[in-house]
Amino acid sequence: EAGVTQFPSHSVIEKGQTVTLRCDPISGHDNLYWYRRVMGKEIKFLLHFVKESKQDESGMPNNRFLAERTGGTYSTLKVQPAELEDSGVYFCASSRMGMNTEAFFGQGTRLTVV
Amino acid sequence: KNEVEQSPQNLTAQEGEFITINCSYSVGISALHWLQQHPGGGIVSLFMLSSGKKKHGRLIATINIQEKHSSLHITASHPRDSAVYICAVKGSNYQLIWGAGTKLIIKP
Repeated sequence: EAGVTQFPSHSVIEKGQTVTLRCDPISGHDNLYWYRRVMGKEIKFLLHFVKESKQDESGMPNNRFLAERTGGTYSTLKVQPAELEDSGVYFCASSRMGMNTEAFFGQGTRLTVV
Repeated sequence: KNEVEQSPQNLTAQEGEFITINCSYSVGISALHWLQQHPGGGIVSLFMLSSGKKKHGRLIATINIQEKHSSLHITASHPRDSAVYICAVKGSNYQLIWGAGTKLIIKP
């Protein structure tokens, strides 16, 4: 069984550009989560999908961030326009339905905005 | 003050030593996770606990719900155990609230 995969693993973009991160969850996992760690701080929750629906997007920092999960399979997280403070590592996780099912994490995408 | 506090922040030990990493939290939780992150790598879930104790190989995790405290122990530590160990709790919703992590270095 393939794990959670994220693409790209690294991205370096200039301030003002657009970047799209992708997460492919484990097949059959309806829950999909995005988290990020910015330099020197704890990992923070961004949002949670159940299938294609946004269950909780309370962690999204501002309207420059747009997450989608069309068809309830893979998810994309677009940052437009990127700012310097968006630099960090973006993690995706997926789990089966149920409150305390185990979450599986991707390798993360390291985003650097210069 | 963060809702999830880990200690120590950094820990350096010699190979073979018994390691303890602590996690205290201030919110009501449905589960607590211990996760591992190697340098440049992704996150791997080690344990998910809601009560008692779990053991996997040389790793042991315990949780005391009344005291809102959990510990991760590593017996017979090895240099390959060097990583960042993170405690994260799941509250009444699906969000994970993360600790800052403990950077562990095991010297040969």
